Amino acid sequence: GAVVSQHPSRVICKSGTSVKIECRSLDFQATTMFWYRQFPKQSLMLMATSNEGSKATYEQGVEKDKFLINHASLTLSTLTVTSAHPEDSSFYICSARDPTAGNTIYFGEGSWLTVV
Amino acid sequence: DAKTTQPPSMDCAEGRAANLPCNHSTISGNEYVYWYRQIHSQGPQYIIHGLKNNETNEMASLIITEDRKSSTLILPHATLRDTAVYYCIALSIQGAQKLVFGQGTRLTINP
Repeated sequence: GAVVSQHPSRVICKSGTSVKIECRSLDFQATTMFWYRQFPKQSLMLMATSNEGSKATYEQGVEKDKFLINHASLTLSTLTVTSAHPEDSSFYICSARDPTAGNTIYFGEGSWLTVV
Repeated sequence: DAKTTQPPSMDCAEGRAANLPCNHSTISGNEYVYWYRQIHSQGPQYIIHGLKNNETNEMASLIITEDRKSSTLILPHATLRDTAVYYCIALSIQGAQKLVFGQGTRLTINP
């Protein structure tokens, strides 16, 4: 299947700082990417849909000023967690829709964020 | 998108076929059935999808009932590495097309 890569895979940051996570589609161009978060022993929760060249669409209850999403190119979307707090510690996962594969959605490896 | 229902957990012996059921009784005509799995601490992995015909690939087979109200994912020869949470999702080919995950089935392959 298509390859979606996230970076970093693990990051530790201090409370109050911001951290950026990158999501890249390596072998296809993705006009649409998605960001999820997952707490231990829970399912994935969709945070937002990232659209290339336009503003992201956030799910209800997700603070757009806290979770900044930028989709500046067809192969890169970034999620910035601003003013991070310990409760933002979570597993963040991105995915991308591959238009060359019947719009199948492929996922990255995930990024573990720990805020101390 | 239609709601899907899966058993919370299943066990299967290594080497046997693992059959994972999914109910999607309110599925509409333009919704595909997608299966993903998530191995611990990794991103979900795409397995297979179908509309109304049975599908097979190198990973699994997907059997969809004629009325499309349920489906079964079959892993023909389960290995220990198939232990994961399996998600069945009904997804429209039109509109926003967002994958919304339920609780899935936690499949444990036993030696």
